[in-house]
Amino acid sequence: DAMVIQNPRYQVTQFGKPVTLSCSQTLNHNVMYWYQQKSSQAPKLLFHYYDKDFNNEADTPDNFQSRRPNTSFCFLDIRSPGLGDAAMYLCATSREWADGYTFGSGTRLTVV
Amino acid sequence: AQTVTQSQPEMSVQEAETVTLSCTYDTSESDYYLFWYKQPPSRQMILVIRQEAYKQQNATENRFSVNFQKAAKSFSLKISDSQLGDAAMYFCAYRREPLQGGSEKLVFGKGTKLTVNP
Repeated sequence: DAMVIQNPRYQVTQFGKPVTLSCSQTLNHNVMYWYQQKSSQAPKLLFHYYDKDFNNEADTPDNFQSRRPNTSFCFLDIRSPGLGDAAMYLCATSREWADGYTFGSGTRLTVV
Repeated sequence: AQTVTQSQPEMSVQEAETVTLSCTYDTSESDYYLFWYKQPPSRQMILVIRQEAYKQQNATENRFSVNFQKAAKSFSLKISDSQLGDAAMYFCAYRREPLQGGSEKLVFGKGTKLTVNP
């Protein structure tokens, strides 16, 4: 089945130690998004890729970076995780003209 | 900027009963899409129902239906014959019509936690 896959499902990292979360899709969607969702809050968009074009939200900290080496894969890099970065990170995809997103299952990041 | 407001942080319903979740939004656009997403605990967020703003007819998906009031900027979700599996966080979301060759982000409300009591 076509889907969006996030790995790992759970990630524990040390304070200040770089961490990378991954997302892959078999839908061949043009657009890939990274959202941060903290407990009991709405998902917050960090950035998105439209094909290879990177679009950063104005309030996304510099600590967060992203890479999209090809259509199928997108990575979220957190250069120096702080305790406040502990959250669920959601990857989503969409076609450029389409309506809703297809979400992955998310990666829950814990910072110790 | 577009905003989405869900005024009910939590709701509960008895199994087999009907519940309505509220959502209002603010936009100056005329063409846009509205969505309800369901996020069960520790599980994937999935699309429940969508509504195009240009359509007057309310969307329906099995037990799920919406009451879309464009003038009032209201978009409520009705769940009929509630089931235990409906228990989840429900997010209302807005997306404006993308420009040709472009994409537009989803703007989410803060969510409503629905509990279904047996």
